[in-house]
Amino acid sequence: DQQVKQNSPSLSVQEGRISILNCDYTNSMFDYFLWYKKYPAEGPTFLISISSIKDKNEDGRFTVFLNKSAKHLSLHIVPSQPGDSAVYFCAAVRSSNTGKLIFGQGTTLQVKP
Amino acid sequence: KAGVTQTPRYLIKTRGQQVTLSCSPISGHRSVSWYQQTPGQGLQFLFEYFSETQRNKGNFPGRFSGRQFSNSRSEMNVSTLELGDSALYLCASSLPLAGASYNEQFFGPGTRLTVL
Repeated sequence: DQQVKQNSPSLSVQEGRISILNCDYTNSMFDYFLWYKKYPAEGPTFLISISSIKDKNEDGRFTVFLNKSAKHLSLHIVPSQPGDSAVYFCAAVRSSNTGKLIFGQGTTLQVKP
Repeated sequence: KAGVTQTPRYLIKTRGQQVTLSCSPISGHRSVSWYQQTPGQGLQFLFEYFSETQRNKGNFPGRFSGRQFSNSRSEMNVSTLELGDSALYLCASSLPLAGASYNEQFFGPGTRLTVL
């Protein structure tokens, strides 16, 4: 049972444009949602998170939007840069179980110069 | 501050063997979680240890086990290896802070296990 899904395996955008990565979840008990970025041969690196009581969180070029009624979140990167090219994982966690992240399958983002 | 370290970085084993992977968390972190990354299944939670006790467990067979030492370092063991165990094994550490709704997990670079 895939509780967190990223339906787009890959995304390609032009440098300077907006990148939008999407994620859906099924478990309404999740309290926090996170985005991680991963380069080959490295572990995932935390990017940004959002609590289930909020609908938007912004950090520099990165903004995460949460739509609880649709059980959907998205990560916006504006403007996209070639260094943003990586695999992006969406993850969810319950506050009663903070050590257990449930990850999506990942989306490979390619930003073309 | 040193990050999460994992040893070895690469490992080749044959079916039926067993393997032990090691993880040293960030200094002061007391929680260690392990994940398996495969192309087909993505990143899947294996287990979490906190204060030398297993606090959470994912849906993996009993061949996968772990432990945590008093200095918070953790090991995971896989016995009777199968071809499907070939994966990147990641560990992540977190403080955690008492009363916090979420404690950020910091990941190590992983151990790439190949089972032949």
